[in-house]
Amino acid sequence: DAKTTQPNSMESNEEEPVHLPCNHSTISGTDYIHWYRQLPSQGPEYVIHGLTSNVNNRMASLAIAEDRKSSTLILHRATLRDAAVYYCIPQVMNRDDKIIFGKGTRLHILP
Amino acid sequence: DGGITQSPKYLFRKEGQNVTLSCEQNLNHDAMYWYRQDPGQGLRLIYYSQIVNDFQKGDIAEGYSVSREKKESFPLTVTSAQKNPTAFYLCASSMMGTLNTEAFFGQGTRLTVV
Repeated sequence: DAKTTQPNSMESNEEEPVHLPCNHSTISGTDYIHWYRQLPSQGPEYVIHGLTSNVNNRMASLAIAEDRKSSTLILHRATLRDAAVYYCIPQVMNRDDKIIFGKGTRLHILP
Repeated sequence: DGGITQSPKYLFRKEGQNVTLSCEQNLNHDAMYWYRQDPGQGLRLIYYSQIVNDFQKGDIAEGYSVSREKKESFPLTVTSAQKNPTAFYLCASSMMGTLNTEAFFGQGTRLTVV
């Protein structure tokens, strides 16, 4: 299984960009990289996912390294509502559709 | 609106009693999941189901049971055999083949056993 490494916590100032890193050096060529976030006392919510090229949506951007061993979730302008735990999850083919969560990165936003 | 619903939001039970948590989805998803989350920790997979009348154990299935009699429903029973049942329980669903699709999560049930 692909292993991930994320910082335990990060801080950012409100209205500034945030770059959340994830290392997934054992990922295979067919694994998608998914990001979810969990706000306090809520269920996780999907943020973004990608395979090889960079991806953008209304919530965030995902920058995937050329060798695919790492990726970075980019919040372009952090707000207090972005304070959450962010999970980077490789989705592995033939893993019976299991979604396995790691410890994630707790993002603190400073007003 | 389509979504996934867990009920109740808060649940209190006496030690030794079985309790069943409800999870319903109207997204027409094939796959459904149950996770447990302890304070300050990540999500751990209890059970998952890819199709009606079939389910597989996750990493921490001991003391729990599930059924999948309908596509829309995946109830979780916390049995008296579960040593530390107090936790936040989360249900999720997704299309089959989650590589290129997103999973949807309910808002969770916080179970407290006294």
